[in-house]
Amino acid sequence: AQSVTQLDSQVPVFEEAPVELRCNYSSSVSVYLFWYVQYPNQGLQLLLKYLSGSTLVKGINGFEAEFNKSQTSFHLRKPSVHISDTAEYFCAVSDSNDMRFGAGTRLTVKP
Amino acid sequence: DAMVIQNPRYQVTQFGKPVTLSCSQTLNHNVMYWYQQKSSQAPKLLFHYYDKDFNNEADTPDNFQSRRPNTSFCFLDIRSPGLGDAAMYLCATSRGQGGPIRTEAFFGQGTRLTVV
Repeated sequence: AQSVTQLDSQVPVFEEAPVELRCNYSSSVSVYLFWYVQYPNQGLQLLLKYLSGSTLVKGINGFEAEFNKSQTSFHLRKPSVHISDTAEYFCAVSDSNDMRFGAGTRLTVKP
Repeated sequence: DAMVIQNPRYQVTQFGKPVTLSCSQTLNHNVMYWYQQKSSQAPKLLFHYYDKDFNNEADTPDNFQSRRPNTSFCFLDIRSPGLGDAAMYLCATSRGQGGPIRTEAFFGQGTRLTVV
């Protein structure tokens, strides 16, 4: 079975600074990787996904992530964050049957 | 717009009183999921349907049941809610592509359940 580890539970950062949210996964089969964002009292919204092809994936709101098979990682990055990026971010992995989520990283952007 | 809709957004129920949460989708996806998300935690998969095939997670309590009468609708029934069942319940769908589930899941806004 696959699993996901998000290494940081909270990441505080100042506005316009770069940010990286870390995600590592484990699986015995080929996987498909996702990053979702959740605003308070809302469902999850897809930021980006890796299914195959280029290992650098660009998503919405200026986010990107890089799939690294040798390091089993899928870290999320943004070169310059805004106050509105404050939210919970979930990394997820899907193999043949279902989707599993990491514990989440709370990104707080300070002015 | 095609979407996943959960009703109600907020539900208050009494301890031990059965409650049903509903989810509908206009995406025509063949896979539907129910997740439970407690405060500051990751969504936890309760069960999912692949078409009419029901897949229960091993650690989902018997207190939780689900029904999918057709492609568009899915219900979560909690037979005897306890205080520990208070959470956000998320419904999601995915395309499934006739085999392994590899496409992303589309989520509804969630139903926040309070047990009093």
